[in-house]
Amino acid sequence: QSVLTQPPSVSGAPGQRITISCTGSRSNIGAGYDVHWYKQIPGTAPKLVIYANGNRPSGVPGRLSGSKSGSSASLAITGLQVEDEADYYCQSYDRSLSSVVFGGGTKLTVL
Amino acid sequence: QVHLMQSGGEVKKTGASVKVSCKASGYTFTSYGISWVRQAPGQGLEWMGWINTYNGNTNFAQKLQGRLTMTTDTSTNTVFMELRGLGSDDTAMYYCARSMIMGGYGDFWGQGTLVTASS
Repeated sequence: QSVLTQPPSVSGAPGQRITISCTGSRSNIGAGYDVHWYKQIPGTAPKLVIYANGNRPSGVPGRLSGSKSGSSASLAITGLQVEDEADYYCQSYDRSLSSVVFGGGTKLTVL
Repeated sequence: QVHLMQSGGEVKKTGASVKVSCKASGYTFTSYGISWVRQAPGQGLEWMGWINTYNGNTNFAQKLQGRLTMTTDTSTNTVFMELRGLGSDDTAMYYCARSMIMGGYGDFWGQGTLVTASS
């Protein structure tokens, strides 16, 4: 059971908008720690797509955006494309555990 | 360009130890720490720990303390992760990632090293 909670799966048609939630607590996201997001295509290493809540690394399309409010964060993808199909993980820091924590991951299917 | 190259896959007996290397290039090695993250087959990401490559200080996940060691060799820009007392539940893909600070994000990742522990 992960410290950060994500939906196991989300899906959308090409061109649509989807969001993936990441729910934490007052000892991690709610304590003010940043949230980061990774995209992982099965069989490959994770790739950073959002850092520090809402910042995109160079090369990540503007269709991806991140936000944070209270003890939760969200990743939004607009104009869904087939190449967005992957597993997505959120990450933060937990002060009670003194540890980096990940969400359980969300499988995005583009219908 | 930033690149992290990990050592090859390992097959170990349960109870044995494994040592995985992560060689960095394309940036100033001691300006960034290295995190280790593992992923069991079909499972999610699990943070293992972080090493400050400048002074060798480490932070480990509580469940791995006592079995995990991380070291750094600044002459070859390489970080080593050693896990002792392997159990079958240590079978996983092990990744290193560049992380500037403890608790920070991994902006570049190695290709992964598959460690298989079996009796």
